[in-house]
Amino acid sequence: GNSVTQMEGPVTLSEEAFLTINCTYTATGYPSLFWYVQYPGEGLQLLLKATKADDKGSNKGFEATYRKETTSFHLEKGSVQVSDSAVYFCALNPGAQKLVFGQGTRLTINP
Amino acid sequence: EPEVTQTPSHQVTQMGQEVILRCVPISNHLYFYWYRQILGQKVEFLVSFYNNEISEKSEIFDDQFSVERPDGSNFTLKIRSTKLEDSAMYFCASRRIQETQYFGPGTRLLVL
Repeated sequence: GNSVTQMEGPVTLSEEAFLTINCTYTATGYPSLFWYVQYPGEGLQLLLKATKADDKGSNKGFEATYRKETTSFHLEKGSVQVSDSAVYFCALNPGAQKLVFGQGTRLTINP
Repeated sequence: EPEVTQTPSHQVTQMGQEVILRCVPISNHLYFYWYRQILGQKVEFLVSFYNNEISEKSEIFDDQFSVERPDGSNFTLKIRSTKLEDSAMYFCASRRIQETQYFGPGTRLLVL
């Protein structure tokens, strides 16, 4: 079946630290991969996406590369800010209708 | 930029009552979805809707749930007889063909 596994949270970092949130997936076929972000009290916002192997999605300083050989889509940012504090969800679309989400990783950035 | 909107933002109801959650998808989108997120848990797919019919539904989407697109703009989720375990954040999403799903801000439902 299709599933997404994210690194356990919560994650707490200091401002300007390097961020990695791990995401691995299991899927049949060739899914599209996504990172969504949920800021406190808000809904889900698309952060970035990649639709095929070796694609790199990027937005707001965040990046993730679709690695088919390791079935991974790790989220990275070189220098985090307090405003990046949120819950981050990795998700896949296996070509069917729905999105399959990971469990989410809560990120807190301290000044 | 067009957005998916949802109303109400919060709803409190008594167990056994019916609730209707409303969504206005982005106007030129063709596919519509409901997801839910129980507090502290992952976002779960409920149902997808295309061409005025359900195209896929999850095990969660039992006979107590229904969806409707009553006019050209609204997309509703009805829970006929709410249970305590229906307490969750409910998200509506929409997309065009082969494009990313865009989510609304959610309705937080609390069943007492």
